[in-house]
Amino acid sequence: NAGVTQTPKFRILKIGQSMTLQCTQDMNHNYMYWYRQDPGMGLKLIYYSVGAGITDKGEVPNGYNVSRSTTEDFPLRLELAAPSQTSVYFCASSYSTPDSSTDTQYFGPGTRLTVL
Amino acid sequence: QQQVKQSPQSLIVQKGGISIINCAYENTAFDYFPWYQQFPGKGPALLIAIRPDVSEKKEGRFTISFNKSAKQFSLHIMDSQPGDSATYFCAATLLQGAQKLVFGQGTRLTINP
Repeated sequence: NAGVTQTPKFRILKIGQSMTLQCTQDMNHNYMYWYRQDPGMGLKLIYYSVGAGITDKGEVPNGYNVSRSTTEDFPLRLELAAPSQTSVYFCASSYSTPDSSTDTQYFGPGTRLTVL
Repeated sequence: QQQVKQSPQSLIVQKGGISIINCAYENTAFDYFPWYQQFPGKGPALLIAIRPDVSEKKEGRFTISFNKSAKQFSLHIMDSQPGDSATYFCAATLLQGAQKLVFGQGTRLTINP
């Protein structure tokens, strides 16, 4: 199993450009998440999905969009890049059931994005 | 009410010493408290986690102490090794539904040989 994979590893965007960060997991996990990590700060949740076709906003969703057409893929879209979106982006996945007593989220290696 | 506050921001410990990182949370509904370890250039990885029905959980050299009344929990690393040098994040969440982790700010731990 490759686990959670993210592409690209690095990207530099100009203000106003758009891009899609790709995330794929091969563990058949039902839940997927996008976080951003700013220097000296913890990770903040952008969007999450509890299954194909179902997405919802996290703590910092403004400026981003997501879709989940398959169990494996959860792309994150930036439509009009702004310097405030300079960050490291992590995708994560987990398998949970209504009576789960634990939650192990598996994180990808991250995408480092710079907006100039 | 969703905040998780973590301290210290950075910590230097001698090899063989005990590393202690503290976290405090506000939302009393949280019922799952994991610690994640992150090495440079990598994503966070689950290290150890605790539910609020126990006051302590130990896995090898890593121990979580949990104080429900004070809304605090801490990570203790015994016999700290240079390979433990990493950034550590505490987090909290509700297990029911989507487990939306609320992270602390992180602690950069350096173990001197």
